[in-house]
Amino acid sequence: NAGVTQTPKFQVLKTGQSMTLQCAQDMNHNSMYWYRQDPGMGLRLIYYSASEGTTDKGEVPNGYNVSRLNKREFSLRLESAAPSQTSVYFCAEGENEKLFFGSGTQLSVL
Amino acid sequence: GEDVEQSLFLSVREGDSSVINCTYTDSSSTYLYWYKQEPGAGLQLLTYIFSNMDMKQDQRLTVLLNKKDKHLSLRIADTQTGDSAIYFCADPSYNTDKLIFGTGTRLQVFP
Repeated sequence: NAGVTQTPKFQVLKTGQSMTLQCAQDMNHNSMYWYRQDPGMGLRLIYYSASEGTTDKGEVPNGYNVSRLNKREFSLRLESAAPSQTSVYFCAEGENEKLFFGSGTQLSVL
Repeated sequence: GEDVEQSLFLSVREGDSSVINCTYTDSSSTYLYWYKQEPGAGLQLLTYIFSNMDMKQDQRLTVLLNKKDKHLSLRIADTQTGDSAIYFCADPSYNTDKLIFGTGTRLQVFP
């Protein structure tokens, strides 16, 4: 998954805690995405950013906020974590629909 | 809304062929994609097919597209244990730069 760096790789939160997932890309693409992956549900789009300074809601945006700090970085914030947000989170970037994914963040909310 | 469907599991013997199927609803896409996810990793683009093609072959991989039935398949010849992974079909959402992913098919290859 060269080119997309996600941190942290693992995180455990208590209900109500907040945290930010970081994502950075070095491939100079405009579009960046945050997905969550849950068993039997595939990948669901949380938020995406078509270019620096713009963000749009995806399929499951509730409980999340994003920030496109610059062309390289796109962060995902959970303001008050809930057990339903236990999932594996993937950042992706790309152009012309060909996406490059980070290695994922495994998040557990207790 | 747009939808992409796949069966969840496929189990094959090493050396046999694997066929992973996908159905989609949005027929306006220029390309359709297959991604592969190995254990503990993110998805990687495996192959794709232009929507005006019926078939694309790439070494052991064959992609078949039936636009009339909105059906896409991925055939892996001579399946190896290293092919064990989750395979996702993806269809671009109409008039946007978003990909709609299927649920993924977990391929298990046994000796």
